[in-house]
Amino acid sequence: KNQVEQSPQSLIILEGKNCTLQCNYTVSPFSNLRWYKQDTGRGPVSLTIMTFSENTKSNGRYTATLDADTKQSSLHITASQLSDSASYICVVSPREQTGANNLFFGTGTRLTVIP
Amino acid sequence: EAQVTQNPRYLITVTGKKLTVTCSQNMNHEYMSWYRQDPGLGLRQIYYSMNVEVTDKGDVPEGYKVSRKEKRNFPLILESPSPNQTSLYFCASSLFAVYNEQFFGPGTRLTVL
Repeated sequence: KNQVEQSPQSLIILEGKNCTLQCNYTVSPFSNLRWYKQDTGRGPVSLTIMTFSENTKSNGRYTATLDADTKQSSLHITASQLSDSASYICVVSPREQTGANNLFFGTGTRLTVIP
Repeated sequence: EAQVTQNPRYLITVTGKKLTVTCSQNMNHEYMSWYRQDPGLGLRQIYYSMNVEVTDKGDVPEGYKVSRKEKRNFPLILESPSPNQTSLYFCASSLFAVYNEQFFGPGTRLTVL
């Protein structure tokens, strides 16, 4: 069964510190993997997208990595800010040729940044 | 501004009273979908639409209906809501298919008493 699992479920860090969120998936074959940020009471917003052949991609203070061999991805947040407090969701898209029309969502990591 | 809008944002209703949640996008996207989000379960797809007049079931379609008469609109209909449909609902759209970036609406918090 295709699954996406994220860890930890929740995380509390001090402002200015770094943190890393993990995503393990079994979806195969896959088209891309995205990390979404979901602020409380809002819809998710895409942070990064990684295709099968990419290892690292950065978006400001956010850096995503992908190891397609071990089926693991991580999201590293540098110099955290209070505005980083949110849920971070890992989403895997199946490869287009499979004809699938559904995404595979992790349950998210709830990050709280405290002053 | 490119966006997905949903209405209403909050709704409290009673069991069996039909309701519709509207969704509209202004990005000329072909693909639209509805999700529900429940604690510990993440986002689950209810229905999706590849284009006008083309809709199909997602993972949890029971108790819901949709229609896609226009490209920009994709309403979610609950003919006879039940308490287990209490949830946070998101509409999303993307350019062509599920593989493209999904743009989510702000969400609709539904409570069925």
